[in-house]
Amino acid sequence: NAGVTQTPKFQVLKTGQSMTLQCAQDMNHEYMSWYRQDPGMGLRLIHYSVGAGITDQGEVPNGYNVSRSTTEDFPLRLLSAAPSQTSVYFCASSYSNRGGLNTEAFFGQGTRLTVV
Amino acid sequence: KQEVTQIPAALSVPEGENLVLNCSFTDSAIYNLQWFRQDPGKGLTSLLLIQSSQREQTSGRLNASLDKSSGRSTLYIAASQPGDSATYLCAVMGTGRRALTFGSGTRLQVQP
Repeated sequence: NAGVTQTPKFQVLKTGQSMTLQCAQDMNHEYMSWYRQDPGMGLRLIHYSVGAGITDQGEVPNGYNVSRSTTEDFPLRLLSAAPSQTSVYFCASSYSNRGGLNTEAFFGQGTRLTVV
Repeated sequence: KQEVTQIPAALSVPEGENLVLNCSFTDSAIYNLQWFRQDPGKGLTSLLLIQSSQREQTSGRLNASLDKSSGRSTLYIAASQPGDSATYLCAVMGTGRRALTFGSGTRLQVQP
């Protein structure tokens, strides 16, 4: 059981470079989301998706794009990296059971990104 | 906009003490509340999930309660151990979106 897999685990970018953080889940979860974690600020929601083809913005979406072409994958794209995007990024997934209750969220191990 | 606050921000206790971590949220329209543990440099481990219709959940030495109407949850840790040292995060899933809003966490240190 792989759960939620994030790649890469570590990345250093130069200002202005672009890159994609990968997130994949093998649990057939319909809900997926991206968060960033900065010291002393907890986790903040960047983008989320309630199913394939459906995405929406969270609290801090600027500078990031997402797409959800399949249920399994939810990549996060940094368009033009800035030092302010230095952070740890977490991807999560969950689903609604037959009773309509949302299950616990499962998190990947994170990607530590440094922009210089 | 949902806001989640955790008090205290840091806590240091001797081994064996029972302790309570507090979480409050501003919007009671939630699907559920989840408590996580995070070790330094690591990911999040889910501890307990409380659905909006529930009052409490228990797992081993952990007990979490939820009072949705007052916007409060507590995590009770019985007979604390040095291995409990970590940051504890509270998060709520609002009915407006299927994603979590997090508090800033409580950093717990249990002294041997």
